[in-house]
Amino acid sequence: GAVVSQHPSWVICKSGTSVKIECRSLDFQATTMFWYRQFPKQSLMLMATSNEGSKATYEQGVEKDKFLINHASLTLSTLTVTSAHPEDSSFYICSARNPGQGASKSNQPQHFGDGTRLSIL
Amino acid sequence: AQKVTQAQTEISVVEKEDVTLDCVYETRDTTYYLFWYKQPPSGELVFLIRRNSFDEQNEISGRYSWNFQKSTSSFNFTITASQVVDSAVYFCALSEAQIGTASKLTFGTGTRLQVTL
Repeated sequence: GAVVSQHPSWVICKSGTSVKIECRSLDFQATTMFWYRQFPKQSLMLMATSNEGSKATYEQGVEKDKFLINHASLTLSTLTVTSAHPEDSSFYICSARNPGQGASKSNQPQHFGDGTRLSIL
Repeated sequence: AQKVTQAQTEISVVEKEDVTLDCVYETRDTTYYLFWYKQPPSGELVFLIRRNSFDEQNEISGRYSWNFQKSTSSFNFTITASQVVDSAVYFCALSEAQIGTASKLTFGTGTRLQVTL
C-alpha cells in the first residue's frame, strides 16, 4: 500500500537553529501534502497545505516566514522551522493524499508519516 | 466552518470490557467524510475507517464497530472485548467534499483510552 516517509523522526537542537523536516510519498505522486502540528496531549492542528509547484496555503495564525514549506516535486515536501525557539517544540506530522485512490478528492484517506518530534533547547 | 467534538478526554476500562468513543461533528456541507484514527504512544497515526455522509450503514470490522447517525451528527466508535493493545489516543476527523478544495482534515481533540488488565 501507499506509504509516506517522514524524516527525521526526532531532533534536538539549540534555540536559533533552523530545522528541516522532509515528507516523501514513496509509491505515489502527491500533488497535495499537509503539515500538522501536535502539542503534548492535544489534537492535530493543520498548519498548511503544501501544493506541488505553487505556494503553500497557510492556516490562520501560522507564520509563513517561520514555517517555510517547499513542495518542489510530486514526492517531496519539506517544512523548515526557521530560527526555532523552545515554544516551537512539538510533534510535526505530514500527510499526503494519493490522487489515484477513488474518484473524489475527499474520500481518500490521507496517508500520514510517522511524525517528527522536535525539541528546542 | 467545520468542527469535531470528542467530549470524552480519557476513558479507562478493564480488559475484555466494551467501550464506546463518542464523536459529534458540525458541518454545513451535505457531502462530507468522517474518519477515525488511532495514535499509539509511538505517535504515528493509524487509519481505521472512512465513512461518507451518504452511507449511514453501520460497519463492523473484527472487534471494531462504528455507528453513524446523521440525524444526531454522531459517528461513534465501539471496541468490543477491549485489549491492552487498544490503549491509545483515538481521533475522529471530518473532511468536507467540495470540489476544488484541498479536503483538509479537521480533527477532534481525541480520546485517550487506557485498557488495563
